[in-house]
Amino acid sequence: KAGVTQTPRYLIKTRGQQVTLSCSPISGHRSVSWYQQTPGQGLQFLFEYFSETQRNKGNFPGRFSGRQFSNSRSEMNVSTLELGDSALYLCASSLAPGGRDTQYFGPGTRLTVL
Amino acid sequence: DQQVKQNSPSLSVQEGRISILNCDYTNSMFDYFLWYKKYPAEGPTFLISISSIKDKNEDGRFTVFLNKSAKHLSLHIVPSQPGDSAVYFCAASALGNQFYFGTGTSLTVIP
Repeated sequence: KAGVTQTPRYLIKTRGQQVTLSCSPISGHRSVSWYQQTPGQGLQFLFEYFSETQRNKGNFPGRFSGRQFSNSRSEMNVSTLELGDSALYLCASSLAPGGRDTQYFGPGTRLTVL
Repeated sequence: DQQVKQNSPSLSVQEGRISILNCDYTNSMFDYFLWYKKYPAEGPTFLISISSIKDKNEDGRFTVFLNKSAKHLSLHIVPSQPGDSAVYFCAASALGNQFYFGTGTSLTVIP
């Protein structure tokens, strides 16, 4: 069974631009969660989608948004990029929603904001 | 507010010895815990989980211990192997809500 895939793997943007990241979950998984990883901060939860509905949202500004499609694929958008948005963005999928099931991670998208 | 803490940023262990990675949490409502291993340039890989109804779970060389009264979680790796060198994250969730992750401990197993 194919794992979680994320595209693109690397991105370089400049301040003020916007970016869209994509995540395809493991087949059959309906929950997708997004995390931001920065040095020294561990993984910070952004949001979770289950069956096309946002189920939970972390403590991030409204510039960070997401959505999920009927095939469970998810996209994350960051508008008006800031230097501090440079990070590794990880998505994880699971069968059940939320913290009731093991999450399986993709390789991440490394975003660099110049 | 860091609800899950891994106070040791790094740990070095000789090959064949036991590695003990620790994790503390503050939220008494946490009832499901996970450990992940992460290599550079890869996403975290699930290792082992434990629910709050248990105090120990074993899977091969990996054992997770949960001490609810101390709000403490530990991962034991026996015996440690060079391929275990990675960053280890613990994560916790409460009542089916989001996972909270620690900041990670970098384990180096010396051959």
